[in-house]
Amino acid sequence: EAGVAQSPRYKIIEKRQSVAFWCNPISGHATLYWYQQILGQGPKLLIQFQNNGVVDDSQLPKDRFSAERLKGVDSTLKIQPAKLEDSAVYLCASSPAVATSSYNSPLHFGNGTRLTVT
Amino acid sequence: AQSVTQLGSHVSVSEGALVLLRCNYSSSVPPYLFWYVQYPNQGLQLLLKYTSAATLVKGINGFEAEFKKSETSFHLTKPSAHMSDAAEYFCAVSDSRIGNEKLTFGTGTRLTIIP
Repeated sequence: EAGVAQSPRYKIIEKRQSVAFWCNPISGHATLYWYQQILGQGPKLLIQFQNNGVVDDSQLPKDRFSAERLKGVDSTLKIQPAKLEDSAVYLCASSPAVATSSYNSPLHFGNGTRLTVT
Repeated sequence: AQSVTQLGSHVSVSEGALVLLRCNYSSSVPPYLFWYVQYPNQGLQLLLKYTSAATLVKGINGFEAEFKKSETSFHLTKPSAHMSDAAEYFCAVSDSRIGNEKLTFGTGTRLTIIP
């Protein structure tokens, strides 16, 4: 099966600019996650979608970050305006629907988008 | 709230030697525990998982981990290190309740293999 696809792989922007990342999860996976991984740290959950609904966005800085998952498939994560501390790798992950016992096939991660804010 | 603590941000072992990466967890409910590996410029790949069945869990690439409730630990081991094991390893915990499977990661341990 095809894996989780993310684009772009790398992005360099200046502070106060805006940026968007795209994620295409594994076909049929109902749950989608965006994680932020700052250099030297573990990934931190930003937002979790179940189909096209938000399950958890408690750690998403909503004054500058937004995410959507139209039609319950692809997702975009946007930052506007970017700050220096937003420099990180943004990882997208997907998993099957909860009803099908997601732990038999846990999170599948994409290769991430590395964002550098200068 | 759940959390994991990985002891040692960097671990170096000689090729052929035992690999031991330490992880301790904190959870108010029965946890599910995971180890992921991350190679440079790649996403995370699942090594193994504990989901309340056998306490000794075997994963891919010869790795295994043992869940010890009394010690709140889930250490990762491999009997004989290989050069290809050089990577960053993350321990993660999640709630065992259905619908709460989002992961909380540790800060990672970078494993270096000495030829």
